[in-house]
Parts: sequence; structure tokens; C-alpha cells
Amino acid sequence: EVQLVESGGGLVKTGGSLRLSCAASGFTFSDYNMNWVRQAPGKGLEWVSSISSYSDYIYYADSVKGRFTISRDNAKNSVFLQMNSLRTDDSAVYYCARDRSDMPYDWGQGTLVTVSS
Amino acid sequence: QSALTQPRSVSGSPGQSVTISCTGTSSDVGGYNYVSWYQQHPGKAPKVIIYGVSERPSGVPNRFSGSKSGNTASLTISGLQAEDEADYYCCSYAGTYTVFGGGTKVTVL
Repeated sequence: EVQLVESGGGLVKTGGSLRLSCAASGFTFSDYNMNWVRQAPGKGLEWVSSISSYSDYIYYADSVKGRFTISRDNAKNSVFLQMNSLRTDDSAVYYCARDRSDMPYDWGQGTLVTVSS
Repeated sequence: QSALTQPRSVSGSPGQSVTISCTGTSSDVGGYNYVSWYQQHPGKAPKVIIYGVSERPSGVPNRFSGSKSGNTASLTISGLQAEDEADYYCCSYAGTYTVFGGGTKVTVL
């Protein structure tokens, strides 16, 4: 069974940093591209970033480019999202999602990030 | 990276069919056969119900179906059931990014 467990969320002030982690199990992690997707309270889904299986392709949404960095450690079956220069509009539940057919397919339960001024 | 366009809400009675449209551009929906649909109940993580435009994951009822014509994808729920009341999001691959629709709330009357 595919399991994705996010952690690292919390309350941070504007301009601060957080590092999210996603621990994967139940599949061969290094075979899959991974994504981060977020959802602000009461709002829709927004794709944030994706990373290919061996980190050779990395993409970001324009809204986070230059502030967020995605990375992965295939030896530890984990993907990370380093978030710097956080703004109030970055407040959201952040989901980790495994790719299939170049699309988010399996999702974790999410971790809440709250950015307060 | 503009969001795909979905209707804010649709509704139907049990047993009826509803269709949700998802309009993009030739750079996303129209350019690739990589469109997915997700169902999200309140407080829960999204769940994929259609991928690759029209493929259904195992365990997803066959009353859910997907299609695409040009720059518009569609999700049809046939034989609407009470448990289908949820938010639905379309999503398209666009090469160097992925884009979601704004979401559609399906209400079962």
C-alpha cells in the first residue's frame, strides 16, 4: 500500500522559513516523480513543485519560484520542500503526491503551514 | 500558469447525470492527453478518480467517466449518488508545470 506522510508544518512569521518532509513507503520511491501541491483554507488546489525520480528535472509554480526549493533523498525514501521568505498567502495545507502518467496520483494527508505577520 | 476554468457548482438529483467542464488552452489541456480529475470530501485529501483523460483507477466506480475535446476536458458522473457530493478538480500537465482548475462543488439534491 502506498503511504505518503508529510511533516514539518507549523506556525511561522512572515519572512521566515520552514522545511517540509514527505516520507514514502509501499513502492519503489526512486521510480517515481514527486510533487508538492497546496490548498489555502477554503480555496482550491495549487500545484507548487515537482521533481523527477533522480532530480534531473525540477519545476516550480511562478508563485514560489526563487523562494521554495524541492529536493529528494532516494536512499531515505523522502522528498522535501524548503520554503524561504514565507508570505501570508503561502498559508495552506501542503500535500505530497506521487506521480503517475505525469500527474499527481497518490496523495498524503497533508501538513498545515500558517504564516502570520 | 493560469488556472483551468471550471464551473463553481453543479447539482443533480440522485440517479441523474452531471457533467463538469474544464477549459484550458492548447498549452495544457489541448496539448497533452494528461488530464486528471480529483474528488475531495471536506477535510480529506484529494483522491484521483480519472487520469490520462479517461482512465479510471481500480476501485473507482464506472459511473465516473472522462473525456476531452480540443482545449476542454469533461467529467461525467452518471447515476449520481449521495456520496458523490464533494468538490471536484481537474488538472492538466503542461510540460514544465502542472495546472489545476478552480474546483466545482457537486451538490446532490
